[in-house]
Amino acid sequence: DVKVTQSSRYLVKRTGEKVFLECVQDMDHENMFWYRQDPGLGLRLIYFSYDVKMKEKGDIPEGYSVSREKKERFSLILESASTNQTSMYLCASIISGGGVYGQPQHFGDGTRLSIL
Amino acid sequence: KNEVEQSPQNLTAQEGEFITINCSYSVGISALHWLQQHPGGGIVSLFMLSSGKKKHGRLIATINIQEKHSSLHITASHPRDSAVYICAVRPSGAQKLVFGQGTRLTINP
Repeated sequence: DVKVTQSSRYLVKRTGEKVFLECVQDMDHENMFWYRQDPGLGLRLIYFSYDVKMKEKGDIPEGYSVSREKKERFSLILESASTNQTSMYLCASIISGGGVYGQPQHFGDGTRLSIL
Repeated sequence: KNEVEQSPQNLTAQEGEFITINCSYSVGISALHWLQQHPGGGIVSLFMLSSGKKKHGRLIATINIQEKHSSLHITASHPRDSAVYICAVRPSGAQKLVFGQGTRLTINP
């Protein structure tokens, strides 16, 4: 079974801090995604990566950066956290071509981040 | 207008009722997903459809590609079915999913 693990379930940080959210998957998936989820707005894509050291901006990349140094790990970075980045953050992964061959995305359990 | 629209946004029903959640989309797709998210955040993939109908236990998902519409049905609903149900589509040729806003389902005993 695919396992997508996010390093923290709950995280509280202060405005201006640099925040790292880590995501690890154990199925050798090429594609990894970071979403945020807010009430009334649903899931929105922040960044995704389709290979090591490759990254693509999603729909709301402002204020975020990502790092993919190893295939199994995809990190989301808030360079200088702000209160409007308080949200639920979800990581997901899928095998390359999964959308064509009918594989589902696999999600982590989420990190609920509060910026005070 | 969102590319993926779900209805209703909120649904409250009594235990045992038959539940239908609808999803309409406006782009060509290679697949449609129904996801379930329980309180606490974790998301589980229920179904992935590209045509026809799939059934798993009390859950049934259908899709009509021509009409760009999908439905998720729950028979004999139970309080443990209470969750947010999310429709997501993969546009043709795209790597990423486009999500509906979700339907919050509450089943009362």
